[in-house]
Amino acid sequence: DIQMTQSPSSLSTSVGDTVTITCQASQDITKYLNWYQQKPGKAPKLLIYAASNLQTGVPSRFSGTGSGTHFTFSISSLQPEDIATYYCQQYNDFPYTFGQGTKLEI
Amino acid sequence: QITLKESGPTLVKPTQTLTLTCTFSGFSLTTGGVAVGWIRQPPGKALEWLANIYWDDDKRYSPSLKSRLTITRDTSKNQVVLTMTNMDPVDTATYFCAHRPCRGDNCYFEHWGQGTLVSVSS
Repeated sequence: DIQMTQSPSSLSTSVGDTVTITCQASQDITKYLNWYQQKPGKAPKLLIYAASNLQTGVPSRFSGTGSGTHFTFSISSLQPEDIATYYCQQYNDFPYTFGQGTKLEI
Repeated sequence: QITLKESGPTLVKPTQTLTLTCTFSGFSLTTGGVAVGWIRQPPGKALEWLANIYWDDDKRYSPSLKSRLTITRDTSKNQVVLTMTNMDPVDTATYFCAHRPCRGDNCYFEHWGQGTLVSVSS
């Protein structure tokens, strides 16, 4: 299985901050990485697909970069509604695997 | 508008078989490239992919659970069914089904059900 290692696991933030999360794959996954946002008690929401493509309707303050084994996800000018847990997910190979999540806290 | 909804028991006993149904609307599971997946999340833990079923009835399973999982579809009812045998308390989780389209070779879980919490306890 491809292991996805996210860091940090939690992050203390403030409104207006720029937040950066990293996701490291245990092997080359080229660009086959998605990012999801999950709020408590809710289903995940797709934000970024194929490492850097913003899903339709997602604010432009969200962005993703990377390829191969190293990926980053950023939120510029953090808004209160962005407080959530964020997950990366690879689809280069089966089984699909998720990172362990990064929880943003105020 | 695409919607998905999971249904099934909220409580199962150890060793029993869990059967979950995902009822969806707004897309067809016979459209090329489309899949429906099941993902679960133990309380306070990360997401874990379980299985996909595809437009051509192909199926993929998590290797660690493959011996316990079966995924099927009923295209006439727009439903996908996941069965998991020999349930254990560690299988206590919220189970989600999700619509998985692709743009070219880029695939993602775009629409999700609300999830259903399944507890395993005697």
